[in-house]
Amino acid sequence: DADVTQTPRNRITKTGKRIMLECSQTKGHDRMYWYRQDPGLGLRLIYYSFDVKDINKGEISDGYSVSRQAQAKFSLSLESAIPNQTALYFCATSDPGGRGEQYFGPGTRLTVT
Amino acid sequence: SQQGEEDPQALSIQEGENATMNCSYKTSINNLQWYRQNSGRGLVHLILIRSNEREKHSGRLRVTLDTSKKSSSLLITASRAADTASYFCATDGVGAQKLVFGQGTRLTINP
Repeated sequence: DADVTQTPRNRITKTGKRIMLECSQTKGHDRMYWYRQDPGLGLRLIYYSFDVKDINKGEISDGYSVSRQAQAKFSLSLESAIPNQTALYFCATSDPGGRGEQYFGPGTRLTVT
Repeated sequence: SQQGEEDPQALSIQEGENATMNCSYKTSINNLQWYRQNSGRGLVHLILIRSNEREKHSGRLRVTLDTSKKSSSLLITASRAADTASYFCATDGVGAQKLVFGQGTRLTINP
């Protein structure tokens, strides 16, 4: 979706490095989410934010942190990357006044060596 | 842990046939949603069914919801090669304010 963009699209990093994944949206939605996808495990929620001043932990927040810089921007950081954080990461948005459907970015494929 | 479980994990059918995927969940929901994911790409919302609805249609898609059994099914009729993708159910639990996704069904349509 061009409305939700993620950078970088692919990243290879080494164990112990700090890395930031960025998400921007032009949909004007207040709610933003970060998910992780591993083969055979579907999507798992890392963090979510309902507005600029609201940050909530999801199912698997350990080892991750987030920053909501503006309504349109939500960044995910891995403070000290480890190999089992190798995964596909997705950002999503939703409109609190809508029905509840989410709009996803194209994903970032992260490999930690 | 995952809220939803999908069945089957993989499905392979011939073009033109119908495809049925099932989703079971554990807690009370506001709505249940189905998403499609083409290989390695972002998820795309397909259809949403509210907890007080039993059936919904959108084009070649038909979704049913049985809250007494905590289950839903997605039927794709007259399948096409372009329907090859993974399909995920996601539940919006009562009071949860977030979606919980199933593990997905990988659908392959053979020409």
